[in-house]
Amino acid sequence: AQSVTQPDIHITVSEGASLELRCNYSYGATPYLFWYVQSPGQGLQLLLKYFSGDTLVQGIKGFEAEFKRSQSSFNLRKPSVHWSDAAEYFCAVGENSGGSNYKLTFGKGTLLTVNP
Amino acid sequence: DADVTQTPRNRITKTGKRIMLECSQTKGHDRMYWYRQDPGLGLRLIYYSFDVKDINKGEISDGYSVSRQAQAKFSLSLESAIPNQTALYFCATSDPGTRQNIQYFGAGTRLSVL
Repeated sequence: AQSVTQPDIHITVSEGASLELRCNYSYGATPYLFWYVQSPGQGLQLLLKYFSGDTLVQGIKGFEAEFKRSQSSFNLRKPSVHWSDAAEYFCAVGENSGGSNYKLTFGKGTLLTVNP
Repeated sequence: DADVTQTPRNRITKTGKRIMLECSQTKGHDRMYWYRQDPGLGLRLIYYSFDVKDINKGEISDGYSVSRQAQAKFSLSLESAIPNQTALYFCATSDPGTRQNIQYFGAGTRLSVL
């Protein structure tokens, strides 16, 4: 069964500092990978996704993520964090079975606090 | 207007009461999902529906039921609410025409069971 681990429950960074949120997945084949963000009181918004091809993917709000097959990782990065980036971030893995895949498995989330 | 709308946004109810959470979407997607979110546990799938006649249990369906009234509407019911069903509930949709199953979420319903 697929699974997702986000090792960091809570991360605090200063505004303007760089950010890396870690995500490790377990899946037998090449998965579909996603990062979602949940701002306070809001639903989940898709930041970026990886399906195939270039392992470095760009998303909205200046975020990027890199798929590393050898490490089963899909870490999210941003070179300079803004106060508005304070939110909870979820990594998710989807089946890439070619069939009627439906299941997204989410990590437990990483809460990002941004200090002024 | 939001593509995926959940009502109500907040609800407080008492143990033993029946409650329905509603979800409607304007995205034209066939697939709809209900998740619950608990602090430190992430999102867990309760039920999902591929179309009006196809409803399936997710990983935590006990104590819940659903109804797919139309392609655009998917309701979640708690027949007899209990305190450990206090959580944030999300509805999501996806388009089966895209293999990657990108899911789009509503803003959530915060439910408190006293």
